[in-house]
Amino acid sequence: GENVEQHPSTLSVQEGDSAVIKCTYSDSASNYFPWYKQELGKRPQLIIDIRSNVGEKKDQRIAVTLNKTAKHFSLHITETQPEDSAVYFCAASRNAGNMLTFGGGTRLMVKP
Amino acid sequence: DTAVSQTPKYLVTQMGNDKSIKCEQNLGHDTMYWYKQDSKKFLKIMFSYNNKELIINETVPNRFSPKSPDKAHLNLHINSLELGDSAVYFCASSQRSTNYGYTFGSGTRLTVV
Repeated sequence: GENVEQHPSTLSVQEGDSAVIKCTYSDSASNYFPWYKQELGKRPQLIIDIRSNVGEKKDQRIAVTLNKTAKHFSLHITETQPEDSAVYFCAASRNAGNMLTFGGGTRLMVKP
Repeated sequence: DTAVSQTPKYLVTQMGNDKSIKCEQNLGHDTMYWYKQDSKKFLKIMFSYNNKELIINETVPNRFSPKSPDKAHLNLHINSLELGDSAVYFCASSQRSTNYGYTFGSGTRLTVV
């Protein structure tokens, strides 16, 4: 089955700096890679996703990159703000709508 | 109008009791899941149902029994609760034929004392 590793487990940045979270996956058939943000006491919410036919996708201050050959993908947050503080999860599946395997999560803390 | 709703939101119970958590989705999705999130925040798949049929059953003690009366509902019954069952349980749904990910419920925080 799929195995997703996520690093770092905790990340502390100063407001305005960039944050990068990296994930690797094991199943070469995986082709859908979403990222979820979970604020304290709340549900995980989808913030961005990427499919294996593209290498990069941006949405305002967040971007995701995918390297299929190396089987890794990353989340980039620029100009971080205190409200970006949360736990971020990467995930992978063979198709959107199918079972997701999640990484272990990254606790991002943005210091004002 | 909540897309994926879980009840109850909080559940505190004693060891040895039996309890149920309910989940309903109004998105018309055909697949539903239960995930367990432990104190370290790791999200671990427990069960998945597609159109009321069990398709994934990970290594979960058989004290946990899911039931899907129809494709909009997936309930989780837990017998003989143990301290280690304390966690947040998330229900989620998805549509296999679409290009979109999961929608999660708000979670049920189960505390076994």
